Amino acid sequence: ETGVTQTPRHLVMGMTNKKSLKCEQHLGHNAMYWYKQSAKKPLELMFVYSLEERVENNSVPSRFSPECPNSSHLFLHLHTLQPEDSALYLCASSQELGGSGRYNEQFFGPGTRLTVL
Amino acid sequence: AQKITQTQPGMFVQEKEAVTLDCTYDTSDPSYGLFWYKQPSSGEMIFLIYQGSYDQQNATEGRYSLNFQKARKSANLVISASQLGDSAMYFCAMREGRDYKLSFGAGTTVTVRA
Repeated sequence: ETGVTQTPRHLVMGMTNKKSLKCEQHLGHNAMYWYKQSAKKPLELMFVYSLEERVENNSVPSRFSPECPNSSHLFLHLHTLQPEDSALYLCASSQELGGSGRYNEQFFGPGTRLTVL
Repeated sequence: AQKITQTQPGMFVQEKEAVTLDCTYDTSDPSYGLFWYKQPSSGEMIFLIYQGSYDQQNATEGRYSLNFQKARKSANLVISASQLGDSAMYFCAMREGRDYKLSFGAGTTVTVRA
């Protein structure tokens, strides 16, 4: 596996379910990100981790719970979601957090298409 | 306020022709970077091209070029010799200073016709 992988690619869940999204990066990067992409809206940054420490929690409801056990893996735990949470959830990684120039471009995974019934 | 504005929700282009995707941005930071990403129906965001605010020349990457007009705060993407595989959503994004955050536009859907 190369780059950034995400599983599952598609997920349908009820509002009372608990599920987790997984992201893995094979690039040796130190920073990882969760984004939410809803229809007709710009990407929204949800969470940012640097060296397994959370550095951003962008006013995300507590029904979304991130976990970063090591610099290669990032999880998004979901519970009691709402239908408006249906979206494409994208994971990304970068070499470091911050920086200028093209350095530290973010590499994205293919996303998990989530549908909440 | 919107930091990145993409005014074209969708565009059609004939195969082998060029297409220009508009992007305007808003920032007071003199140091910033502009990125273009392609998102095919598979979902993955693919990096295409980067332009730094201090770069003297317009960026080019193969069939992609960036028409950077700093005074107008615009960074339009030009795709030359369009191919069917170019059909996708295209996003303009900006990073300000040394911040890690990327501000994305709403995207433009490009459909290439044979």
